Amino acid sequence: GDSVTQTEGPVTLSEGTSLTVNCSYETKQYPTLFWYVQYPGEGPQLLFKVPKANEKGSNRGFEATYNKEATSFHLQKASVQESDSAVYYCALGDRGSALGRLHFGAGTQLIVIP
Amino acid sequence: EAAVTQSPRSKVAVTGGKVTLSCHQTNNHDYMYWYRQDTGHGLRLIHYSYVADSTEKGDIPDGYKASRPSQENFSLILELASLSQTAVYFCASSPQGAGDTQYFGPGTRLLVL
Repeated sequence: GDSVTQTEGPVTLSEGTSLTVNCSYETKQYPTLFWYVQYPGEGPQLLFKVPKANEKGSNRGFEATYNKEATSFHLQKASVQESDSAVYYCALGDRGSALGRLHFGAGTQLIVIP
Repeated sequence: EAAVTQSPRSKVAVTGGKVTLSCHQTNNHDYMYWYRQDTGHGLRLIHYSYVADSTEKGDIPDGYKASRPSQENFSLILELASLSQTAVYFCASSPQGAGDTQYFGPGTRLLVL
């Protein structure tokens, strides 16, 4: 079945350093890939999504490229800020499925030290 | 205005008691979902629904029931609450399902004693 595997956290970085959170997926279908972010005390919210292979999504300085050949969707940011401290979820949605669900990774907690 | 609301926001329940968590959405979305969140497990899907009066099992449905009496409302019911059901529960809605964005509520923190 469909699944998502991402970097195990927590990831602790100093402000101004670069971030990479790895995300790999398995599916036999045609997925849309998502990155969600969850700030403390809140529900997850969409960071961005990419419906097509080989395209890039971005928002708030974060970006990820949908790599169909490598089945990856790694999240990157060049320079993190303390306000980026949150949990990041990679997710897969099978557009060909009638079931209407997303498959989430386990989440990666990011801690940014000022 | 928050489009997905949950009530209560926190609850303390006794083992063996009945717990009902409620979710209301004003997005006019067909799909609604219930997840639980535990440290180290991320978001796990309990039940979901794509139309009123119908629900589907997710990955961890045991010990939970769901009810979708209308498009706007989706409830999660713990008939006999257990210690292992202590978690944060999130409701979400989505317009069309699998390839579409899910919009989450603020969560309900449940403590079963």
